[in-house]
Amino acid sequence: GAVVSQHPSWVICKSGTSVKIECRSLDFQATTMFWYRQFPKQSLMLMATSNEGSKATYEQGVEKDKFLINHASLTLSTLTVTSAHPEDSSFYICSARPRTGGGTDTQYFGPGTRLTVL
Amino acid sequence: EDQVTQSPEALRLQEGESSSLNCSYTVSGLRGLFWYRQDPGKGPEFLFTLYSAGEEKEKERLKATLTKKESFLHITAPKPEDSATYLCAVGPRDSNYQLIWGAGTKLIIKP
Repeated sequence: GAVVSQHPSWVICKSGTSVKIECRSLDFQATTMFWYRQFPKQSLMLMATSNEGSKATYEQGVEKDKFLINHASLTLSTLTVTSAHPEDSSFYICSARPRTGGGTDTQYFGPGTRLTVL
Repeated sequence: EDQVTQSPEALRLQEGESSSLNCSYTVSGLRGLFWYRQDPGKGPEFLFTLYSAGEEKEKERLKATLTKKESFLHITAPKPEDSATYLCAVGPRDSNYQLIWGAGTKLIIKP
């Protein structure tokens, strides 16, 4: 149980284009979803927190107009990187917190999306 | 300030050599302490959640313990497939279920 998927697993795009990453909780409903960014050999950096039906809360230093988050349902959140540039190249990981049942304090992570901007 | 410190940064063990990873934390009210395992190029895999001092949880060769100031992840008779980065995180009680992350311990088990 508690499976989270991400799509795509990797993407290469040209500078200036937009890229959408999907995060789905497959076997549970998620009250809250989180988006992280991870640089090589570093720990996770929280970008934003989103609750279903509400606007996302962005961490300090994260541009909300560049990283658009839509938490459309209790099982789906999307991250759109708009007008991507090479410095946006990174490993993006989402996580989801179950709505009910045991372990509602626990975040379950997706497999991550490797974004490379040329 | 809420903070999580993991030690050591890296640990190399021979197969079968037991050891422990440390996670020290300071937080204004602990909602939970979480251990994850992360393999290269993958998302973190959930291992344990601990809620109160004295609590212990086990899974195969791993055992996690919790005190008021730190948590240990004990690895008994590790195998090469236990090689990974182990991440510790704490959830402050007054956060929107956000986590404060440690930098991780990279564990390498040599056959």
